[in-house]
Amino acid sequence: GAGVSQTPSNKVTEKGKYVELRCDPISGHTALYWYRQSLGQGPEFLIYFQGTGAADDSGLPNDRFFAVRPEGSVSTLKIQRTERGDSAVYLCASSTHRGETQYFGPGTRLLVL
Amino acid sequence: AQTVTQSQPEMSVQEAETVTLSCTYDTSESDYYLFWYKQPPSRQMILVIRQEAYKQQNATENRFSVNFQKAAKSFSLKISDSQLGDAAMYFCAYRYYNQGGKLIFGQGTELSVKP
Repeated sequence: GAGVSQTPSNKVTEKGKYVELRCDPISGHTALYWYRQSLGQGPEFLIYFQGTGAADDSGLPNDRFFAVRPEGSVSTLKIQRTERGDSAVYLCASSTHRGETQYFGPGTRLLVL
Repeated sequence: AQTVTQSQPEMSVQEAETVTLSCTYDTSESDYYLFWYKQPPSRQMILVIRQEAYKQQNATENRFSVNFQKAAKSFSLKISDSQLGDAAMYFCAYRYYNQGGKLIFGQGTELSVKP
């Protein structure tokens, strides 16, 4: 079956703009994760969904970041009033309910000018 | 808080040779998972190998094996018969055993393979 997909692959925006990043998990996976990877670093956790609800959003850096998963499948990460420091690769992963292993998408590279 | 440390920013190996990547972690938990992920330039994180902390036997996947030392909190990855396609960033990651636990990653080791 298809893996985790993310769109867009790359996004360039201007400081202060609003962006949405989309993640489509593996079919049947109930758990979905967002991570942020800055240049030269390992990914850092942002938020975790189990079904439609955010089970852990402790990694969101501030209230400019918000994520939704209204039907328990596709998720959207929303960033308001983007800043240059938001430039990074945003990775999405999904897993089964038990969730031993997370499977990652190819990421969205966000560049804020 | 749990932390993961990879002390080797870069490693190099000759094709067909063996290389070991180091990882240490810090946790007060007794039940957890450890992972090695590979990230090529395409950015896609690919699972290489997984180890459950309650298992004493070291995990093995074809040319990839780990040396898991629970008391020392060490989790190294050995790649045997290195191939050009093994060149990538390698990340060590920790996950608490509970359902849906987030991954905590190390800083990564960039592996180059010389023909």
